[in-house]
Amino acid sequence: QVQLVQSGAEVKKPGASVKISCETSGYTFTNYALHWLRQAPGQSLEWMGYINIGNSNTKYSEKFQGRVTITRDTFASTVYMELGNLRSEDTAVFYCARDPGGSYDYWGQGTLVTVSS
Amino acid sequence: VMIQSPLSLPVTLGQPASISCRSSRSLVFSDGNTYLNWFQQRPGQSPRRLMYKILNRDSGVPDRFSGSGSGTDFTLHISRVEAEDVGIYYCMQGIDWPPTFGQGTRLEIK
Repeated sequence: QVQLVQSGAEVKKPGASVKISCETSGYTFTNYALHWLRQAPGQSLEWMGYINIGNSNTKYSEKFQGRVTITRDTFASTVYMELGNLRSEDTAVFYCARDPGGSYDYWGQGTLVTVSS
Repeated sequence: VMIQSPLSLPVTLGQPASISCRSSRSLVFSDGNTYLNWFQQRPGQSPRRLMYKILNRDSGVPDRFSGSGSGTDFTLHISRVEAEDVGIYYCMQGIDWPPTFGQGTRLEIK
């Protein structure tokens, strides 16, 4: 069965970076793009960016441009999202999600990132 | 922009419920498909897709859930609300960059 398993919760200081992993299984890794989304406490979901697994092309939200980097390791069937220059407003749950085309059919369990001095 | 209503939806068990989602532009893509999705997020859980391309139900989703609409106006229907339906429901458009979600509708049991 398809699974997306994310790395565990993180606590970071303002200005630091965080790198979250999303390990996939149960399907052909290179056949689907993977996206990252952020959900701040009590808020809706916000798209951050995505990676085309086949050619490693990426596209990022203007809101996070310059702070976010999404990479993939095809041998490990894993995607990574690194967010830099963290600020308190980045305290949120981050999700990876598989894109079958205009949608998200499978999601990771979420990774809570807390930014606090 | 995706606008949902209502934002809060108290429902009696066994009664029907519906959630509206309006897009600021048509969600019909050049391939003829309309990329409007519905997700359910139960407390403390990841979002789960319920419906895609307006009315296609995901595997394992009870048939009391259905979707309707076209162009810019869409509705998620629940024929008889059950306790397990408590959570927040989001519509999402997959035609434009960036993909965007509605504000969410919180369904609770009266």
